[in-house]
Amino acid sequence: EADIYQTPRYLVIGTGKKITLECSQTMGHDKMYWYQQDPGMELHLIHYSYGVNSTEKGDLSSESTVSRIRTEHFPLTLESARPSHTSQYLCASSRDSGYEQYFGPGTRLTVT
Amino acid sequence: ILNVEQSPQSLHVQEGDSTNFTCSFPSSNFYALHWYRWETAKSPEALFVMTLNGDEKKKGRISATLNTKEGYSYLYIKGSQPEDSATYLCAFLYGGSQGNLIFGKGTKLSVKP
Repeated sequence: EADIYQTPRYLVIGTGKKITLECSQTMGHDKMYWYQQDPGMELHLIHYSYGVNSTEKGDLSSESTVSRIRTEHFPLTLESARPSHTSQYLCASSRDSGYEQYFGPGTRLTVT
Repeated sequence: ILNVEQSPQSLHVQEGDSTNFTCSFPSSNFYALHWYRWETAKSPEALFVMTLNGDEKKKGRISATLNTKEGYSYLYIKGSQPEDSATYLCAFLYGGSQGNLIFGKGTKLSVKP
């Protein structure tokens, strides 16, 4: 079983609030990822990191930001939540780019 | 624009049936193709990472083949069981060996007992 955790699993929040989605892994993986998925659609990469102090934007433009101060921790922040941010957010990690990714259980975010 | 296509979108089979799905991906600049299984209320879980043309991988009743020259991969499930019910995702590694994955929309399999 993969050792990658996300909290919260579900979040319903009002417009304008600041939120942080947590992601942690205990496998010592250097590469970490955030994906966004809307119902019936593909997983889209929104952020990734090669290691500590590395953050890159993915293919899908996102108003969220990420940080990577520790290898095991890769939180995602939305400064001001909007209804358009309603989606499922999945965190993943891998030993390196070519290797299998291990996914967290996801956070289902609803912004009212 | 890079695209990964999966077909069919959904599939309903009876327990014991064998089934297969297709993943189509760009045939140029190939590095790797991943298959994942995503059960409802769980995390996506890696099935196979395939890198060589002609590769064939197997895990229990599930196997996959790869044709990088024509840009497709097949996933086969022999003797489907209800616990095989899940969405099966394929993903193409683009941007070189240090690149990222582009996912297809998946094939949702339902196996009736």
